[in-house]
Amino acid sequence: KQEVTQIPAALSVPEGENLVLNCSFTDSAIYNLQWFRQDPGKGLTSLLLIQSSQREQTSGRLNASLDKSSGRSTLYIAASQPGDSATYLCAVVSTGNQFYFGTGTSLTVIP
Amino acid sequence: GAVVSQHPSRVICKSGTSVKIECRSLDFQATTMFWYRQFPKKSLMLMATSNEGSKATYEQGVEKDKFLINHASLTLSTLTVTSAHPEDSSFYICSAWDRGLVKLFFGSGTQLSVL
Repeated sequence: KQEVTQIPAALSVPEGENLVLNCSFTDSAIYNLQWFRQDPGKGLTSLLLIQSSQREQTSGRLNASLDKSSGRSTLYIAASQPGDSATYLCAVVSTGNQFYFGTGTSLTVIP
Repeated sequence: GAVVSQHPSRVICKSGTSVKIECRSLDFQATTMFWYRQFPKKSLMLMATSNEGSKATYEQGVEKDKFLINHASLTLSTLTVTSAHPEDSSFYICSAWDRGLVKLFFGSGTQLSVL
C-alpha cells in the first residue's frame, strides 16, 4: 500500500525567505503527483500537477519537482509572503487511480 | 488518527440511473465536508461544500439538481448523481473538516463509470 509522508509537519519562516516542503512516497508506480493548498475551513486548491513522466512544474513563485525513482517530491516557494500561510498537501495518484494524501505541512509566514 | 470512509470505491451503472456516494467521518464530527471531482489527467475540482443541517454551497458551473448533496448528520454526507450519463463518469472524492485537529481528511474516492 502506498504511504505518503510530508516533512516537516509545521514550518514557520520570516517573510521573504525561500523554503522547501518535502513529500515522500513508498511506491513509485504512480500516475501523477499533485500539490494542494488548504486554507482553514476551506477545500483544497490545486497548485501544481506533475505527471509521472515529468520532473518539474512551475507556476509563479512555486516550483515542484518529482523524482519517481527515489519516491520524492519537493515544493519550492520563492520569496515567501504572509498570504502563503496555509497547509500544503501532496497527493500521489496511483496507476490504479487511487488517491493517497500526505499528512500536510502547516506553513506560517511571519510578516 | 482521523479517518474518512467513502463508499463505494467503484461503481458501474447504466445511463439514466442514480448513484449515491457516502462519505463518513469515523472518529470525529465533521460539520463541514467537501466534494471533489477529478477528470483524467486533471487536478481535483471542488464541486461543493456541505454543511451539516443546511444546504450545500455549490461551486460555479456545478448543477445542484444533478449532484444532490445531503449532510444530515455530523458524520455523514452523501452525494447523489441523479440520472447519470456517460459524461458524469469521473472520480469523486470527499473530504471532512476536523475542527479539533484543524485538518482536512480525505476519503479514498469513488470511480464512477456510466455506460
